[in-house]
Amino acid sequence: DQQVKQNSPSLSVQEGRISILNCDYTNSMFDYFLWYKKYPAEGPTFLISISSIKDKNEDGRFTVFLNKSAKHLSLHIVPSQPGDSAVYFCAASALTSGSARQLTFGSGTQLTVLP
Amino acid sequence: GAVVSQHPSWVICKSGTSVKIECRSLDFQATTMFWYRQFPKQSLMLMATSNEGSKATYEQGVEKDKFLINHASLTLSTLTVTSAHPEDSSFYICSARDMGEAFFGQGTRLTVV
Repeated sequence: DQQVKQNSPSLSVQEGRISILNCDYTNSMFDYFLWYKKYPAEGPTFLISISSIKDKNEDGRFTVFLNKSAKHLSLHIVPSQPGDSAVYFCAASALTSGSARQLTFGSGTQLTVLP
Repeated sequence: GAVVSQHPSWVICKSGTSVKIECRSLDFQATTMFWYRQFPKQSLMLMATSNEGSKATYEQGVEKDKFLINHASLTLSTLTVTSAHPEDSSFYICSARDMGEAFFGQGTRLTVV
């Protein structure tokens, strides 16, 4: 059972336009959400996060929106740049025993920004 | 931000041999580290949770005798792939959390020939 889903395996966007990456989750216990960017053969790099008490968080060109009732979040990149081309993973976290929090990842979306 | 260093970044080994991968938190102490595995074009799959000073917690389907995890100090966790087989070839990534944020190592590309 996939608790975090990224239904679009790939997305192509023209440079300067907006990129919108979507993510859905099923576990209502998730209370913290993150987006990671990953280049081939490298570890994921943290981009932006959002707590379930918020519905929007913005950091420069990156904005994450959370719709708790729909169990949906999205990452907006404006304006998109060729260097943004990478795989983007959505991840969610729920409080587990102790202070450790595991991350559940989506399957990723390959973003290609065309010059 | 916090840095997690993983070594080696890539390794090629023969079937039947063992390979050790190190994961270090460079500027913070991590009582818990996580080991992930990624197959081509698939998501990161959690293999195990490494707890400093105690046994690791393995996810369902992960062989604990094959993937040995040792978390001997607050800054170092190691994953040893024992008696490696070609099907163990994959990309392995460690992660450690600091103040609620997860930071990842660079990953290790393991190829078993």
